Amino acid sequence: DQQVKQNSPSLSVQEGRISILNCDYTNSMFDYFLWYKKYPAEGPTFLISISSIKDKNEDGRFTVFLNKSAKHLSLHIVPSQPGDSAVYFCAASGSTGTYKYIFGTGTRLKVLA
Amino acid sequence: NAGVTQTPKFQVLKTGQSMTLQCAQDMNHEYMSWYRQDPGMGLRLIHYSVGAGITDQGEVPNGYNVSRSTTEDFPLRLLSAAPSQTSVYFCASSQGQDQFFGPGTRLTVL
Repeated sequence: DQQVKQNSPSLSVQEGRISILNCDYTNSMFDYFLWYKKYPAEGPTFLISISSIKDKNEDGRFTVFLNKSAKHLSLHIVPSQPGDSAVYFCAASGSTGTYKYIFGTGTRLKVLA
Repeated sequence: NAGVTQTPKFQVLKTGQSMTLQCAQDMNHEYMSWYRQDPGMGLRLIHYSVGAGITDQGEVPNGYNVSRSTTEDFPLRLLSAAPSQTSVYFCASSQGQDQFFGPGTRLTVL
């Protein structure tokens, strides 16, 4: 039973346009969400996070939106750059401080020059 | 800071062999964890530790042992490797909610 779902395995976007990556979760106890970026043959790199007490968090070109009622979060990248091409994972944890993260299956983003 | 380091980068084992995947961090983080990544499955938590001397099971702990004798090191042991343990293994550490991952170990069990 997949508690964190990324239903789009891949996404292609033109350079300069917006990339929107989606993530759905089923466990209402999750209260902290993270996005990671992963390049081939490297470990995942932390990108941005959001607590359930917020509905938006912004860091430069990256914004994460959280819709608790829909159990949905999304990552917006504006403007998209070729260096953003990677696999993006969303992750969730329940009860702040437990450090037990459940990851989605990932979305491969390709930014076309 | 080297961050999180993992050795070896690659390993091939025969079924039934044992081995230890090494993980070390130099950030003085209390929390460390092991994940495996399989195609179409994302990252799944194997074991984690909230500090020296304390470990607990994650989603897929069977076939793996861990120990945490120091803050810096968190080795993962496979006592009797099976083909189902062919995967890429990532170690991570964190102090707060945001985890830092090592570069991974690609393990093949024949």
